[in-house]
Amino acid sequence: GENVEQHPSTLSVQEGDSAVIKCTYSDSASNYFPWYKQELGKRPQLIIDIRSNVGEKKDQRIAVTLNKTAKHFSLHITETQPEDSAVYFCAATSSGSARQLTFGSGTQLTVLP
Amino acid sequence: DSGVTQTPKHLITATGQRVTLRCSPRSGDLSVYWYQQSLDQGLQFLIHYYNGEERAKGNILERFSAQQFPDLHSELNLSSLELGDSALYFCASSSRGGPYNEQFFGPGTRLTVL
Repeated sequence: GENVEQHPSTLSVQEGDSAVIKCTYSDSASNYFPWYKQELGKRPQLIIDIRSNVGEKKDQRIAVTLNKTAKHFSLHITETQPEDSAVYFCAATSSGSARQLTFGSGTQLTVLP
Repeated sequence: DSGVTQTPKHLITATGQRVTLRCSPRSGDLSVYWYQQSLDQGLQFLIHYYNGEERAKGNILERFSAQQFPDLHSELNLSSLELGDSALYFCASSSRGGPYNEQFFGPGTRLTVL
């Protein structure tokens, strides 16, 4: 099955700096890579996703890149703000009838004011 | 608000007991997924139902079972509860209307086993 590794597990940045979180996946058939943000005690919320036919996607201060050859994808947050502090999870899903999400272990991002 | 609802929000029970968690997917969504999130843990996939049928199983214990009803709501049954079952249980739904699996999570049920 799919295995997703996520690094780093914790990340502290100064407000206004950029943050980068990296994930690798094992199943070359994976074709969809969402990122979820989870604030303490709340539900994970989809913040951005990328599909295997695209190399990069941006949404305001958030961008995701995908390297299919190397089987890794990254989340980039620019101009970080204190409200960006949360746990971020990457995930991967393959095609087929199962379509289950395999999540990374999460990154606790802390943006220091 | 994702449109996915879960009840109850909190559940406190004792070891050896049985509980049922309920999930209502977004309107029109046919798929329901269940996840377990223990303290300081990531999201562990438990089981997936599509239009009433089980589609995939993940790390789900034999003491746990689930079903999806004709109105598409789903229930996760946890029996012979142990202290280690204390966790946040999330369900998520997706439409499967396209080739990609976009999931929307409910607010979760926090289960505490004493």
